[in-house]
Amino acid sequence: DQQVKQNSPSLSVQEGRISILNCDYTNSMFDYFLWYKKYPAEGPTFLISISSIKDKNEDGRFTVFLNKSAKHLSLHIVPSQPGDSAVYFCNAGGTSYGKLTFGQGTILTVHP
Amino acid sequence: DGGITQSPKYLFRKEGQNVTLSCEQNLNHDAMYWYRQDPGQGLRLIYYSQIVNDFQKGDIAEGYSVSREKKESFPLTVTSAQKNPTAFYLCASRPGADLSGELFFGEGSRLTVL
Repeated sequence: DQQVKQNSPSLSVQEGRISILNCDYTNSMFDYFLWYKKYPAEGPTFLISISSIKDKNEDGRFTVFLNKSAKHLSLHIVPSQPGDSAVYFCNAGGTSYGKLTFGQGTILTVHP
Repeated sequence: DGGITQSPKYLFRKEGQNVTLSCEQNLNHDAMYWYRQDPGQGLRLIYYSQIVNDFQKGDIAEGYSVSREKKESFPLTVTSAQKNPTAFYLCASRPGADLSGELFFGEGSRLTVL
């Protein structure tokens, strides 16, 4: 049972344009969500998070939007840069338990 | 510097052998996690531990075992019962008290079964 899904395996974007990565979840117990960025042969690094009491969180070029009724979140990167090319993972958890579930990841490629 | 250290970085194993992957953290974190990454599968949770001497199975625990005898250490043993052990293994930790906190990851260990 895949509780966190990233349905787009890959995304290709031109430098300077917006990148939108999507994530859907099924467990209504999830009340906080995180995005991680991963380069090959390295561990993921934390990018941005949002709790269920908010519908938007912004950090520089990165913005995460949460739609609780649709159980959907998205990561917007504006403007996209070639250095943003990596695998992006959506991560969901609940403050009532310690298990953390990841989506399958989306490979973002930003072309110069 | 504080962080998570995984070793070895690369490991080769013959079929039928058990191997143990090391994970050590000096961040004073209570919670530790083991994930496995396969192409197209994302990060799948093997085991996690929220406190010393306690751990829970994740989504794909079969063929794996762990121990948490010390706060800073969470070794993972890949047993011969694991049918497809070739993968990239990631250890992570976070402060246990804050269940909304981010995970801190190690650099990973790549296991190849020959």
